[in-house]
Amino acid sequence: SAVISQKPSRDICQRGTSLTIQCQVDSQVTMMFWYRQQPGQSLTLIATANQGSEATYESGFVIDKFPISRPNLTFSTLTVSNMSPEDSSIYLCSVVPGNNQPQHFGDGTRLSIL
Amino acid sequence: GENVEQHPSTLSVQEGDSAVIKCTYSDSASNYFPWYKQELGKRPQLIIDIRSNVGEKKDQRIAVTLNKTAKHFSLHITETQPEDSAVYFCAASQEKGGGNKLTFGTGTQLKVEL
Repeated sequence: SAVISQKPSRDICQRGTSLTIQCQVDSQVTMMFWYRQQPGQSLTLIATANQGSEATYESGFVIDKFPISRPNLTFSTLTVSNMSPEDSSIYLCSVVPGNNQPQHFGDGTRLSIL
Repeated sequence: GENVEQHPSTLSVQEGDSAVIKCTYSDSASNYFPWYKQELGKRPQLIIDIRSNVGEKKDQRIAVTLNKTAKHFSLHITETQPEDSAVYFCAASQEKGGGNKLTFGTGTQLKVEL
């Protein structure tokens, strides 16, 4: 299966700042996604990262808060903007390598906002 | 949108016993149902999945059953071992047209006691 590298693995940030998380895959993949996992909770889809076009956001998530880029088939970034303590979560990227293949997750970025 | 309910939220079994986790989904268009295992501080890892064209799938000590009519699916772990202790998430999605977006259940904390 695809090897997914996510950076940074963790960070502690000040409120009001922004952080960009990177997701790099070792092969071209069909689909890339960004999820949020709040402490002790399940995973919630933020958006589908579309190659060469604007991401598709789920209800409750907006581009101004979570801008996403996907310049090619192996790389995507998620920015968490104007952070507040409520944004403290694990952010995970996932990929679907190809048709009818399962979705695999990166190790996640553990984000704490002070 | 899709809604996935998962029960129980916690499950404690003796080593060697069986464990069963149940999920229900709301969208009859969902046709793909993976199960993920997440150990503390680690990424969710796919352990088994099933598509709507089959009713049961087995992989060694792990099996999944699907009842499309009732819209529920279950994970069965036999001969449990301490290393099975983790949080298990069920999920549902539509492949081919649904964008492969996963909707997760709330998770089950499984503890296998010696």
